Amino acid sequence: DQQVKQNSPSLSVQEGRISILNCDYTNSMFDYFLWYKKYPAEGPTFLISISSIKDKNEDGRFTVFLNKSAKHLSLHIVPSQPGDSAVYFCAASPFGNEKLTFGTGTRLTIIP
Amino acid sequence: DTGVSQNPRHKITKRGQNVTFRCDPISEHNRLYWYRQTLGQGPEFLTYFQNEAQLEKSRLLSDRFSAERPKGSFSTLEIQRTEQGDSAMYLCASSPSLGGDRTDTQYFGPGTRLTVL
Repeated sequence: DQQVKQNSPSLSVQEGRISILNCDYTNSMFDYFLWYKKYPAEGPTFLISISSIKDKNEDGRFTVFLNKSAKHLSLHIVPSQPGDSAVYFCAASPFGNEKLTFGTGTRLTIIP
Repeated sequence: DTGVSQNPRHKITKRGQNVTFRCDPISEHNRLYWYRQTLGQGPEFLTYFQNEAQLEKSRLLSDRFSAERPKGSFSTLEIQRTEQGDSAMYLCASSPSLGGDRTDTQYFGPGTRLTVL
């Protein structure tokens, strides 16, 4: 049972445009959500997180939106840069338990 | 660099052999996690430690797997009698466990890629 789903395996975006990566979850106990970026042959790198008490969190070019009623979150990258090309993983954990459940990832390619 | 380090980065072994991986967390992080990632999947939780205590183990962690963190610093993950299905990237992460009502961010190492022939 895939509790965290990233339904788009890949996404291509023109440099300078907005990249939007989506993630859905089914477990209503999840209350903390994170996005990680992964380059080949490296471990995941933390990008940004959001707790369930918020619906938006920004950090520079990265913004995460959380819609609890829809059990949906999204990562916006504006403007997209070639160095953003990587696999992006959405992850979630329930309150008081730091075991992360990851989605299957979305490969983002930024076209120069 | 004071990030999470893992050794070796790559390991090729024959089926039936034992292997051991090491993880050195970010200093002063008292929580340490092991995950496994196979091709096309996200990382899957295996186990985690709070200092030297192993607090949770996934059902993915069969009897052939054992993890230790003897002094609450580095950790080892051993796989006995390896099988081809054990081929994966083994990732270690650490977090500071700041306590309170917040969840702490996990920071990952580069991983150890295991290939079982």
